Amino acid sequence: NAGVTQTPKFQVLKTGQSMTLQCAQDMNHNSMYWYRQDPGMGLRLIYYSASEGTTDKGEVPNGYNVSRLNKREFSLRLESAAPSQTSVYFCASSFSGRSSYEQYFGPGTRLTVT
Amino acid sequence: DAKTTQPTSMDCAEGRAANLPCNHSTISGNEYVYWYRQIHSQGPQYIIHGLKNNETNEMASLIITEDRKSSTLILPHATLRDTAVYYCIVRVGGMYSGGGADGLTFGKGTHLIIQP
Repeated sequence: NAGVTQTPKFQVLKTGQSMTLQCAQDMNHNSMYWYRQDPGMGLRLIYYSASEGTTDKGEVPNGYNVSRLNKREFSLRLESAAPSQTSVYFCASSFSGRSSYEQYFGPGTRLTVT
Repeated sequence: DAKTTQPTSMDCAEGRAANLPCNHSTISGNEYVYWYRQIHSQGPQYIIHGLKNNETNEMASLIITEDRKSSTLILPHATLRDTAVYYCIVRVGGMYSGGGADGLTFGKGTHLIIQP
């Protein structure tokens, strides 16, 4: 099993450009999450999807949109990138309900907006 | 979710037990204590969780005080590869979760440095 995979690993954007970060999991998890981590800080939740077909805002959703494409894939889109969105983005997945104690994280996407 | 307080950094000698404290004095009865760690530049990794009983797995032990207001993560024989930021997180989970899912609330954690 590959676990949680993210593409791309690195990306540099100019202010105003758009891009989509891709995430996929092969563990048959119901729930998926997008976090961002700024230097020296803990992770902050951007959006999550409790199950296929549902998405909800997290702590810092402004400037982002998400799509739960199917059970395996959850993408994060920046429509008009800003320097404040320079960060490392982590995708995670987990079972939900009674088995929701462990989240599995991907390797991250390092995004720089100039 | 209840707030947690952890020391900013700690040192431990290689081969010794590393004891990482966490205060969560406002924890509710249906909230679990979770520990994750993040090795430099990687995604966080789940270590262990508990509700009120002490727990042990192949990575670590979790000791929760009887009043549940604090806990200690123990790495019994620390190695250099255990150098990481360790996060103590309190949230509703497991048997108390509904059908949905919640994200994790990460603080700044404890930077554990294992010294050779």
